Amino acid sequence: KQEVTQIPAALSVPEGENLVLNCSFTDSAIYNLQWFRQDPGKGLTSLLLIQSSQREQTSGRLNASLDKSSGRSTLYIAASQPGDSATYLCAVPGGGGFKTIFGAGTRLFVKA
Amino acid sequence: NAGVTQTPKFQVLKTGQSMTLQCAQDMNHEYMSWYRQDPGMGLRLIHYSVGAGITDQGEVPNGYNVSRSTTEDFPLRLLSAAPSQTSVYFCATHLQGSGETQYFGPGTRLLVL
Repeated sequence: KQEVTQIPAALSVPEGENLVLNCSFTDSAIYNLQWFRQDPGKGLTSLLLIQSSQREQTSGRLNASLDKSSGRSTLYIAASQPGDSATYLCAVPGGGGFKTIFGAGTRLFVKA
Repeated sequence: NAGVTQTPKFQVLKTGQSMTLQCAQDMNHEYMSWYRQDPGMGLRLIHYSVGAGITDQGEVPNGYNVSRSTTEDFPLRLLSAAPSQTSVYFCATHLQGSGETQYFGPGTRLLVL
């Protein structure tokens, strides 16, 4: 059964710092991994989708990497800003091809 | 283009009451799903649909029913609300299977007393 773990559960950093969020999964037979952002009281917004054939994806100050063999993904945020404060979730396809398994998320707070 | 909309935004129920959470999308996506989000547990799939007239159970289906009569709408029914169903409920759509980006609605906060 696929399980997704995100560490740390919460993170507080000063503005301008570069940071890394971690995501690990137990079954390496995935064909993609997604990172989402969730603002308080809001739905999820997709940030990056990495296909299994890719090792990383970049969007602006965000860079996500995928290492299937080790069952890990990282989300790198460069030059963090207070507006980056949110919960970040990673997700992988679950069994049966349709289901998506989410991690519990990392709550990020960037202090001005 | 509204994307994915959910109503109501917030609801309080008494134990044993029934209600329907509404989800509508205008993106013409075939795949729709319902999740519940609880503190420390991430999102868990309740039910999903791969097209009009086709639904299936997810990870935590007990106590919930769904139907999909049109591409646009995917309502979630609570048959007899229980305090354990207090949660935030999200509807999501994809263009194809779970290999594609999912689009989420704003959520419905449900409190069952």
